[in-house]
Amino acid sequence: DQQVKQNSPSLSVQEGRISILNCDYTNSMFDYFLWYKKYPAEGPTFLISISSIKDKNEDGRFTVFLNKSAKHLSLHIVPSQPGDSAVYFCAASWSNTGKLIFGQGTTLQVKP
Amino acid sequence: DVKVTQSSRYLVKRTGEKVFLECVQDMDHENMFWYRQDPGLGLRLIYFSYDVKMKEKGDIPEGYSVSREKKERFSLILESASTNQTSMYLCASSLWASGNYEQYFGPGTRLTVT
Repeated sequence: DQQVKQNSPSLSVQEGRISILNCDYTNSMFDYFLWYKKYPAEGPTFLISISSIKDKNEDGRFTVFLNKSAKHLSLHIVPSQPGDSAVYFCAASWSNTGKLIFGQGTTLQVKP
Repeated sequence: DVKVTQSSRYLVKRTGEKVFLECVQDMDHENMFWYRQDPGLGLRLIYFSYDVKMKEKGDIPEGYSVSREKKERFSLILESASTNQTSMYLCASSLWASGNYEQYFGPGTRLTVT
């Protein structure tokens, strides 16, 4: 039972354009969401997060949007850069458990 | 900067061998986690620990055990390695604090069981 789903295994965009990565979840108890970025042969690194009391959080080129009614979140990267090419995981947590449930990941390729 | 280190980057073991993967964090974090990452499946939680000598099963604990004798160290043990345990293993740690969810990951161990 996949509680956090990233339905697009891969995404390719041109440098300078917007990248939009999507994530859906099924558990309405989730109250915190995170995005991680992973380069090959490295561990995931934290990118940006959002609490369920917000619908948007922005950090530089990265913005996360949360639509609770649709149980959907998205990560926008503007403008995309070749160095953004990586695997992106969304993750969800609840009730201060400290545990994260991860999606399957989306591989982003930004072409120069 | 939080640093999470894992004992090996690459490991090749034979079926039936006992395998130890070690993880050390230097930030005095209470929580530690072991995940495995497989293509198309994302990161799946194997075991986690909230404190020394405490452990809880994650989503896929079968075939694995863990040990946490010191706060900074969390070991994953494959009692009898099998080919379906070939995977990337990732260790993570986090601070036990209200509203804190961020986990810090090590570089991973690519384990191949032949």
